[in-house]
Amino acid sequence: ELKVEQNPLFLSMQEGKNYTIYCNYSTTSDRLYWYRQDPGKSLESLFVLLSNGAVKQEGRLMASLDTKARLSTLHITAAVHDLSATYFCAVEPNTGNQFYFGTGTSLTVIP
Amino acid sequence: DGGITQSPKYLFRKEGQNVTLSCEQNLNHDAMYWYRQDPGQGLRLIYYSQIVNDFQKGDIAEGYSVSREKKESFPLTVTSAQKNPTAFYLCASKPAGVLYGYTFGSGTRLTVV
Repeated sequence: ELKVEQNPLFLSMQEGKNYTIYCNYSTTSDRLYWYRQDPGKSLESLFVLLSNGAVKQEGRLMASLDTKARLSTLHITAAVHDLSATYFCAVEPNTGNQFYFGTGTSLTVIP
Repeated sequence: DGGITQSPKYLFRKEGQNVTLSCEQNLNHDAMYWYRQDPGQGLRLIYYSQIVNDFQKGDIAEGYSVSREKKESFPLTVTSAQKNPTAFYLCASKPAGVLYGYTFGSGTRLTVV
């Protein structure tokens, strides 16, 4: 059974601090996606990572992919309240045609 | 503007009733997907379609049905066989090829009354 595990599941951090969310997966894949979901809303695409060593940055968020370790990270730098949301990673297996989502990390940034 | 439209935003279903959730996209995407999200959980795939008039079951297809008569449309019917349908339903689409992620609709929140 294909598994996509995120940790932590819940994260409360102070403004200005740094932290990393981890996404481990159990299948062979070169394709990893990060999404953001605000309460009661749909998912918004953040990053598309398509190869080993891929690194993407947007504002205070940076995502990376290590396909050999089957690990992706989402690093938050100098957190601000607007980053409070739930973050999901999703994996598309190399031989598959659907995405598999992690359980999400609920991030709360405290002023 | 291109996008995916889901309707209705909120839907209430009585016991034993079938209901249909609408999903329409004008992105010219080939593949479309239905996911279910329960509170505090990730997304689980119900059905997906990569081409008109063809679709495949996902991990939790029991109690649901779909059709794909047009490229733009992928409606989901929640049947009375689905015993616990209360959830947030998300429709997504994706172009052909491996370089693209999903584009999601705004979701339909279904509640059994």
